[in-house]
Amino acid sequence: GAVVSQHPSRVICKSGTSVKIECRSLDFQATTMFWYRQFPKQSLMLMATSNEGSKATYEQGVEKDKFLINHASLTLSTLTVTSAHPEDSSFYICSARGVSSGGWSKTQYFGPGTRLLVL
Amino acid sequence: AQKITQTQPGMFVQEKEAVTLDCTYDTSDQSYGLFWYKQPSSGEMIFLIYQGSYDEQNATEGRYSLNFQKARKSANLVISASQLGDSAMYFCAMREGANFGNEKLTFGTGTRLTIIP
Repeated sequence: GAVVSQHPSRVICKSGTSVKIECRSLDFQATTMFWYRQFPKQSLMLMATSNEGSKATYEQGVEKDKFLINHASLTLSTLTVTSAHPEDSSFYICSARGVSSGGWSKTQYFGPGTRLLVL
Repeated sequence: AQKITQTQPGMFVQEKEAVTLDCTYDTSDQSYGLFWYKQPSSGEMIFLIYQGSYDEQNATEGRYSLNFQKARKSANLVISASQLGDSAMYFCAMREGANFGNEKLTFGTGTRLTIIP
């Protein structure tokens, strides 16, 4: 299957600082990328959908000024948590979909996730 | 109403036995897709199997099969001959609408499966 990487895998930061998480599709062009957050023992909650070259679409209740998403190329999307606070501590997962010779991928391919801890 | 319902928060199954994980869904769309993902303790989401709403045959992928009952709106995952490595969290998810590329997924609350040696 397609490979999606995320960096960093784990980050600890002080309250008030900003943290950038990268999501890369390694072997396909990701026209659409999705960002999720997952609290312990809970399901994945979609934060936003981003299409290459356009502004991200945020889900209701997600602060777009706090969670900045940039999808500048077909292989890279970034999520920046600005002025992070302890309540932003969570597991952030990206996923990507793209087109190959077989057409649109049926599924989203997920990155390995980033554990963010804000002190 | 919940769009994806997984009623089993946890299950314990003896190794080598078959296991069925339940999933029911709610949508008014005619075209939709149903997915199962496995999430081990490492956190990565591993795609297991997909069923399209217009697919007449139940999907199968190795030891995984999807028992798709459209009229009942259920999409249960069956794992045959369970292995210790199957211990993980399992999520059912749904894509509403046709497959045009940017449709979002809605996830259920998950079932934690533990395989007992």
